[in-house]
Amino acid sequence: EPEVTQTPSHQVTQMGQEVILRCVPISNHLYFYWYRQILGQKVEFLVSFYNNEISEKSEIFDDQFSVERPDGSNFTLKIRSTKLEDSAMYFCASSGLVITSYTFGSGTRLTVV
Amino acid sequence: QKEVEQNSGPLSVPEGAIASLNCTYSDRVSQSFFWYRQYSGKSPELIMSIYSNGDKEDGRFTAQLNKASQYVSLLIRDSQPSDSATYLCAQKLVFGQGTRLTINP
Repeated sequence: EPEVTQTPSHQVTQMGQEVILRCVPISNHLYFYWYRQILGQKVEFLVSFYNNEISEKSEIFDDQFSVERPDGSNFTLKIRSTKLEDSAMYFCASSGLVITSYTFGSGTRLTVV
Repeated sequence: QKEVEQNSGPLSVPEGAIASLNCTYSDRVSQSFFWYRQYSGKSPELIMSIYSNGDKEDGRFTAQLNKASQYVSLLIRDSQPSDSATYLCAQKLVFGQGTRLTINP
């Protein structure tokens, strides 16, 4: 079964450092998303991406965040200068035209120290 | 502020019974609703989507939407221990905090 692949599974970084979280969506999907989930809290939408541009973003997705689809397969989330409160599980998701195809990746646990 | 509210539980249901999970929302504009299941330490998994008033059934799962009352629910029939998980309600891209469900053998 096709899956969304995220790397790394766990990343530890020092406060103030830049991190790039990587995702490989399902190959024929058109819509791409990033979410985060702070431990014990709800899933929060960050950004959606379609046709090589951001289609929606939340208040969380400020100037410290950026997304890119550098080639035909990868979808990345960059956090420019990490803060302690950025520590969370980051999920990538993708979907095709059919909503039932909506699939989450297994996540990257980001720990900022 | 768009809000999706769920009772965080835990909700305990005996095996074979019907589990009923509820969700209310504040945004009257967006009409897309989703139920996800999230096992501990895992990513969310889409179970059902619903867009129209009324019921939508898929196997043991039934989603119910009442736009007048701004209320969405998920019924799980013949509950199994493997259904034990946190169930997340979402309105378009806004998630509730989830309801933890435990099915007791």
